[in-house]
Amino acid sequence: GAVVSQHPSWVICKSGTSVKIECRSLDFQATTMFWYRQFPKQSLMLMATSNEGSKATYEQGVEKDKFLINHASLTLSTLTVTSAHPEDSSFYICSARVPGRGEAFFGQGTRLTVV
Amino acid sequence: AQSVTQPDIHITVSEGASLELRCNYSYGATPYLFWYVQSPGQGLQLLLKYFSGDTLVQGIKGFEAEFKRSQSSFNLRKPSVHWSDAAEYFCAVGDSIQGAQKLVFGQGTRLTINP
Repeated sequence: GAVVSQHPSWVICKSGTSVKIECRSLDFQATTMFWYRQFPKQSLMLMATSNEGSKATYEQGVEKDKFLINHASLTLSTLTVTSAHPEDSSFYICSARVPGRGEAFFGQGTRLTVV
Repeated sequence: AQSVTQPDIHITVSEGASLELRCNYSYGATPYLFWYVQSPGQGLQLLLKYFSGDTLVQGIKGFEAEFKRSQSSFNLRKPSVHWSDAAEYFCAVGDSIQGAQKLVFGQGTRLTINP
């Protein structure tokens, strides 16, 4: 159990377009999910905390209007990169915690390339 | 604020040799500590965690880690590495085991295995 699925695994888009990334908890309900960004050969940086039924909480320096997060159900959070530019190219990873358990489970990540 | 330091960016060991990856944390209260492994282009897989109790914790794939409060360390060890252990390893600290839990990651240690 405790599987987090992310889709798509990779995406290429044109500069100026928007891209939506989905994060699903397949066998548990997650009231909170997290979105991370990872640059090549670097660590994970928390972008935002996604809260079911309410607004996401963004970390300092993350543009909330560029990185739109929606957590409409207990099993799905989406990250939309709006008006993408090449500098938004990165590896995006989501995670969720199983209620009552301490560890977080991660999706497989999405490689976004903006051309 | 929490912080995690992994002093070694890259480590190379021979297959069959022992391994120790270092992790130091900074946190004012009881830390909740994790080790994750990431294969190229993939998400993170939990190796082991420490919340309380026995300071030597066993994880998957033959890994173990020892929590040393006096040294603020949580080093990861394996007695004999396999070629499949080549990956990126991340140490992380969380601020709680209940509710929404943010994780702060170290910079990561890239492990290369020589045949």
